[in-house]
Amino acid sequence: NAGVTQTPKFRVLKTGQSMTLLCAQDMNHEYMYWYRQDPGMGLRLIHYSVGEGTTAKGEVPDGYNVSRLKKQNFLLGLESAAPSQTSVYFCASSYLGPNMIGNQPQHFGDGTRLSIL
Amino acid sequence: AQKVTQAQTEISVVEKEDVTLDCVYETRDTTYYLFWYKQPPSGELVFLIRRNSFDEQNEISGRYSWNFQKSTSSFNFTITASQVVDSAVYFCALSEALKAAGNKLTFGGGTRVLVKP
Repeated sequence: NAGVTQTPKFRVLKTGQSMTLLCAQDMNHEYMYWYRQDPGMGLRLIHYSVGEGTTAKGEVPDGYNVSRLKKQNFLLGLESAAPSQTSVYFCASSYLGPNMIGNQPQHFGDGTRLSIL
Repeated sequence: AQKVTQAQTEISVVEKEDVTLDCVYETRDTTYYLFWYKQPPSGELVFLIRRNSFDEQNEISGRYSWNFQKSTSSFNFTITASQVVDSAVYFCALSEALKAAGNKLTFGGGTRVLVKP
C-alpha cells in the first residue's frame, strides 16, 4: 500500500522555468492538499481539493495552479518559478469519515525538495 | 482566522528526561479538531493524535501524553522518559469542523526536539 506518492523528490529549476509536481494517492480519499514548508514557519496550505474536478485556494496560493482531473491525482504547477518558491512541498490526502465531518487525519507524502536559482 | 502558536522553537534534553511541548491556538469556531504530527530527520510527517474540541479528556499513549485545556486554548504534548528516537520536529495543527471547509489544517511553526544520549 503506497499511500501518498509525490514525484519528483528533488528538482532544481532556473527562475522563470515551469514545472508540475505530481501527487498520487491510492486510499480513495476525497480530500487532497498541497503545502509548502519553510524554516520556522511550519506548513502552509497552498491549494486544496474536496473532490474530483474541484480546487480551492489556501493560505499562500499566489504563483501556483492546481488541477484534480482524477480523484487519485492532484497536480501542482509553477508557471514561472521564482526564488521565493524554493521550499519543500508536501502533498496530503484525507477522507470524510463516517460522520461526513472533515476531522480525519491527513496522510502525507514524503515531500518534494524544490530549489529555484 | 485560525492561528496556532508553538512558542518553543527548539528543546534540547538528555535521554530519559521528560519534555513538554506547548501549543496555543486561536479560533472562532465552537467545534474544531487539534492534531499533533511528528517529522523525524527523514522528513516525512507522521500523525500522532487527534482531539475533538468537545472532549477535554487527557490522553496517554505509551510514553506520550496530551493535555487539552479549552479554557486556556492549549493542547500540550509531553514525552516521558525521552529517547534518542524521539528527536524530531513536532507540529501542532488545528482544523475546522465543517465538511465544506475541507478539513484544512493550520499548522504551528513546529518545535524541534533534540534528545542527546
